[in-house]
Amino acid sequence: GAGVSQTPSNKVTEKGKYVELRCDPISGHTALYWYRQSLGQGPEFLIYFQGTGAADDSGLPNDRFFAVRPEGSVSTLKIQRTERGDSAVYLCASSPAKVAGERPGELFFGEGSRLTVL
Amino acid sequence: LAKTTQPISMDSYEGQEVNITCSHNNIATNDYITWYQQFPSQGPRFIIQGYKTKVTNEVASLFIPADRKSSTLSLPRVSLSDTAVYYCLVDRMNSGYSTLTFGKGTMLLVSP
Repeated sequence: GAGVSQTPSNKVTEKGKYVELRCDPISGHTALYWYRQSLGQGPEFLIYFQGTGAADDSGLPNDRFFAVRPEGSVSTLKIQRTERGDSAVYLCASSPAKVAGERPGELFFGEGSRLTVL
Repeated sequence: LAKTTQPISMDSYEGQEVNITCSHNNIATNDYITWYQQFPSQGPRFIIQGYKTKVTNEVASLFIPADRKSSTLSLPRVSLSDTAVYYCLVDRMNSGYSTLTFGKGTMLLVSP
């Protein structure tokens, strides 16, 4: 498809388990963002990639959260030792901004991965 | 953080014009104002972005007064399908990249 693709769409796991969430951005988009959205709240910024590097990871809540983008396209958000409070929809967005310093303009969001930690 | 304040909810009827106002008192010189729309179980979708005065596209208009401390998203002749959450954001460049901070948004309910 032409849009941002996120897998899985739904993930149910048990407390303490490890989870990976995948994001396929729009082809050619170099900027990639991860957000987290809890029920009734707006999306909360987690991390931003420009190419392969994480330009800003200040939104990651703690060291259980980590994200990679090794080839500058697909990104994986990794959550270790999941807790019930990690339950949320994890949203990925991409933008065609070519370099840091370029305003992203429109962010294209995927439909999100709903994570439920029991 | 570029904080914004907007109404929690608004009600309207089909065919009416809806204006959602957002305040952003700490907006900086290089900040842009951006609005997104979000339907249940979907990611946010970009509506419009502007810097000052008025911007119009095929779905909405954005009015920004001279002091830029507020902005108004105008949706002409809404339909039931415009029922959604609308987010006002300040697009701020920090250390060479843009940060977008979402608030709680405005839940717009359009009734027949």
